[in-house]
Amino acid sequence: EVQLVQSGGEVKKPGESLKISCKGSGYSFTTYWIGWVRQMPGKGLEWMGIIYPGDSDTKYSPSFQGQVTISADKSISTAYLQWSSLKASDTAMYYCARRLSSGGSWSFDYWGQGTLVTVSS
Amino acid sequence: DIQMTQSPSSVSASVGDRVTITCRASQGFGRWLAWYQQKPGKVPKLLISAASNLQSGVPSRFSGSASGTDFTLTISSLQPEDFATYYCQQASSFPLTFGGGTKVEIK
Repeated sequence: EVQLVQSGGEVKKPGESLKISCKGSGYSFTTYWIGWVRQMPGKGLEWMGIIYPGDSDTKYSPSFQGQVTISADKSISTAYLQWSSLKASDTAMYYCARRLSSGGSWSFDYWGQGTLVTVSS
Repeated sequence: DIQMTQSPSSVSASVGDRVTITCRASQGFGRWLAWYQQKPGKVPKLLISAASNLQSGVPSRFSGSASGTDFTLTISSLQPEDFATYYCQQASSFPLTFGGGTKVEIK
C-alpha cells in the first residue's frame, strides 16, 4: 500500500527555522516525483514545488522560490520542506503528494496527511 | 504562468441534482487537467486526470471533459457524500496551478 506519512504539527515563532518531512512507503520512492502543496487557513491549494528523489532534480513555483527549500534523502525514502526564517504568513497546512505514475500529467494521486505549521509570536 | 479561473466559487444543490463546475485556462495546454475533491479537514483526493480519466474507485457519476481552454467537471446525480470543495489543477507545465475552488453545499 502506497503511503506518504508526514511529520507532526509545529508551533514556531517568527524568525525560527523549520524542516518538515514526508516519508514514502509501499512503492519505489526514487522513481516518483514528490510535490509540496500549501493550504492557508480557509483558502485554496497552492503548488510550491516538486522533487525527483532519484537525482534530487527540483522545480519551484516562482511564488516560493527562495522562500523554502525542498530536498530528499532517498536512503530513508523521505522528502523535506524547510524554512530558514519563518513568518506569520507561513501559517498553513502543508501537504506532500506523489506525482501520478501514468502519462505526462503532473497531477498527484497519493497525498500525505498534512502538516500544520503555526507561526506566532 | 497559466492561470486557472474556476467557476462558480460556490453552488447550492440538492441530492440528485446535476452539478457542473468549470475551469478556464488563460492559455491552451492540451488535456493535462486534474480535478480533486476535498472534504473539510481532509486531504485532497484525485478524481480525474488528463481532463476525463476517472481514477480507480471514483464513482461513475463524476465525469470530466475539455473543449479548448475550458474544462468541466460534472456530477450527474449529487450524493450526500459529494458535498465538498472541488479544485482543478493545470498539470501540464511548471509552475503547476490550481483553480480557486468550488464549494458544493447542501441546498
